[in-house]
Amino acid sequence: AQKVTQAQTEISVVEKEDVTLDCVYETRDTTYYLFWYKQPPSGELVFLIRRNSFDEQNEISGRYSWNFQKSTSSFNFTITASQVVDSAVYFCALSEATSGNTGKLIFGQGTTLQVKP
Amino acid sequence: DTGVSQDPRHKITKRGQNVTFRCDPISEHNRLYWYRQTLGQGPEFLTYFQNEAQLEKSRLLSDRFSAERPKGSFSTLEIQRTEQGDSAMYLCASSLWRGPVNEQFFGPGTRLTVL
Repeated sequence: AQKVTQAQTEISVVEKEDVTLDCVYETRDTTYYLFWYKQPPSGELVFLIRRNSFDEQNEISGRYSWNFQKSTSSFNFTITASQVVDSAVYFCALSEATSGNTGKLIFGQGTTLQVKP
Repeated sequence: DTGVSQDPRHKITKRGQNVTFRCDPISEHNRLYWYRQTLGQGPEFLTYFQNEAQLEKSRLLSDRFSAERPKGSFSTLEIQRTEQGDSAMYLCASSLWRGPVNEQFFGPGTRLTVL
């Protein structure tokens, strides 16, 4: 069965610290996609990144970086030099490509990140 | 603003009443998804449409729930005889489906409180 686990419920850091948000997933599909979304206090989910199961290259976008490791079924997200504006709930999500191509997202429970000034 | 919009943003109702939410997707997006998010949890899939066809419904969607997407544009989600357990944030997302993956763009959600 498909599942996404974000074991860290809440993380609190001081501004400029680096922080890593963990994501572990379970799927039987060989083709799948992983996503990270940010949910600020306003409530709207904001898309951050998508990776497919065939591409294990790490990706960096500004202060954000993602580490995808199929061997450990993990897709971790690191924010370098965190800022107060990074405070939000972050969700990891999974979409299985072979399950009828629904495109539906399976979300983890979310990690609340608080960045203090 | 060309993003996904939802109306109303907040709804307070009494148990047993019917409520209807509306979602306007990004123009020309052919897929529309509904999710439900309860406090402290991630969103859970409810149903989705490709154009006007409803292609899948989650087990979470009881008989009291019905969704429509007439003409493949906006969608409505109706809950009949609301219960306190229906209190949640209802999120709508749309995507342009071209193949095995799609990026979903979410609306601001409708927060439902059932008293």
